[in-house]
Amino acid sequence: GAVVSQHPSRVICKSGTSVKIECRSLDFQATTMFWYRQFPKKSLMLMATSNEGSKATYEQGVEKDKFLINHASLTLSTLTVTSAHPEDSSFYICSARALAGYDEQYFGPGTRLTVT
Amino acid sequence: QKEVEQDPGPLSVPEGAIVSLNCTYSNSAFQYFMWYRQYSRKGPELLMYTYSSGNKEDGRFTAQVDKSSKYISLFIRDSQPSDSATYLCAMKKGGNEKLTFGTGTRLTIIP
Repeated sequence: GAVVSQHPSRVICKSGTSVKIECRSLDFQATTMFWYRQFPKKSLMLMATSNEGSKATYEQGVEKDKFLINHASLTLSTLTVTSAHPEDSSFYICSARALAGYDEQYFGPGTRLTVT
Repeated sequence: QKEVEQDPGPLSVPEGAIVSLNCTYSNSAFQYFMWYRQYSRKGPELLMYTYSSGNKEDGRFTAQVDKSSKYISLFIRDSQPSDSATYLCAMKKGGNEKLTFGTGTRLTIIP
């Protein structure tokens, strides 16, 4: 089956620093990748949609200058949380969609970010 | 009002029981309906995927969609301790890639 990995699985950083999270599709090419944020006992909140080679589309209320998304290749997307603050602490999950027109999303295992 | 409502639980049932999980939604434009299982500190795993109204069965899992009532269900037969997880419903409009999730129901199967 389709496998999506994320790295790191958990990261602790200090306020004011930036942290990068990688999302990779291991055995398929992902034309579209999605970044979600999940709070405890809350639903997944879509942050942005990224298509390979083009700018990400951000959901309303998500600061694009704070959450930088790059989808440089068909197997890799990165989310960089810039100038992190404790309120950015959360579980970040990516998903990848294979071919255009085939709409199943495969989710990564998530990255736990803690900002101290 | 949230677009998708799901009782967060927690729900505890004895092993072997039939589990019923439900979501309601308000947007009649939703056409595709999914159920995901999420273990603690892991990403969601797709369990069931249905289009429009009707039933779909896969092993011990049955998904039902009633578009007239804007109500979807997931049934788990012969529940096992390994079924203990959070179950999220999700749905999307035809041709739109964006998934809208419920809050998830935390399920525990008691041996």
